[in-house]
Amino acid sequence: DGGITQSPKYLFRKEGQNVTLSCEQNLNHDAMYWYRQDPGQGLRLIYYSQIVNDFQKGDIAEGYSVSREKKESFPLTVTSAQKNPTAFYLCASSTRPTSGRDQRAYNEQFFGPGTRLTVL
Amino acid sequence: AQSVAQPEDQVNVAEGNPLTVKCTYSVSGNPYLFWYVQYPNRGLQFLLKYITGDNLVKGSYGFEAEFNKSQTSFHLKKPSALVSDSALYFCARRGDSNYQLIWGAGTKLIIKP
Repeated sequence: DGGITQSPKYLFRKEGQNVTLSCEQNLNHDAMYWYRQDPGQGLRLIYYSQIVNDFQKGDIAEGYSVSREKKESFPLTVTSAQKNPTAFYLCASSTRPTSGRDQRAYNEQFFGPGTRLTVL
Repeated sequence: AQSVAQPEDQVNVAEGNPLTVKCTYSVSGNPYLFWYVQYPNRGLQFLLKYITGDNLVKGSYGFEAEFNKSQTSFHLKKPSALVSDSALYFCARRGDSNYQLIWGAGTKLIIKP
């Protein structure tokens, strides 16, 4: 799982509550990502951040919020507006892609161990 | 829309036999392609990538993949399977930007002793 930590490993939430998932990396990566994983589906991008104090919505941002106040931290808040939050959440980081078309143009993402969120 | 297909939900292989996990991708732009592996209740680990250059890419743990432009495929292969290779394998391609990956649904690989 490289230098990325996620906490907690398991999280239980009551309906109507907001919860925050932690993601910390010590890889000195500029870019960070949050994914949601559901059984039988590929990963879906919730939010990503290219650099500190900047982030963009992914494919399924509704009901989620993020912040990027520090380079090493990218917490995800699952709000009560997220109707079906039970899932496995994965955080990842990478170096910033270049604009070229060679091997350096796109670098692989390094993933944390994940947080399993269950709504009670 | 860009997409990645992994046509097999599960692949069963006997230990010591060669294995192949299939992946096809939609034709759109430069299909930067990736393979990742996920062990139970863990994050994903990078195996290999194709950006440009040789069509045969070698990666971690003895895996390799061949980029086939005419068949729009990027199948993952290993000459001799190990029981420890049993895991969930994901294929992915670049999305609309270099920050986005489009993921396949995953293929569960089971290696039987």
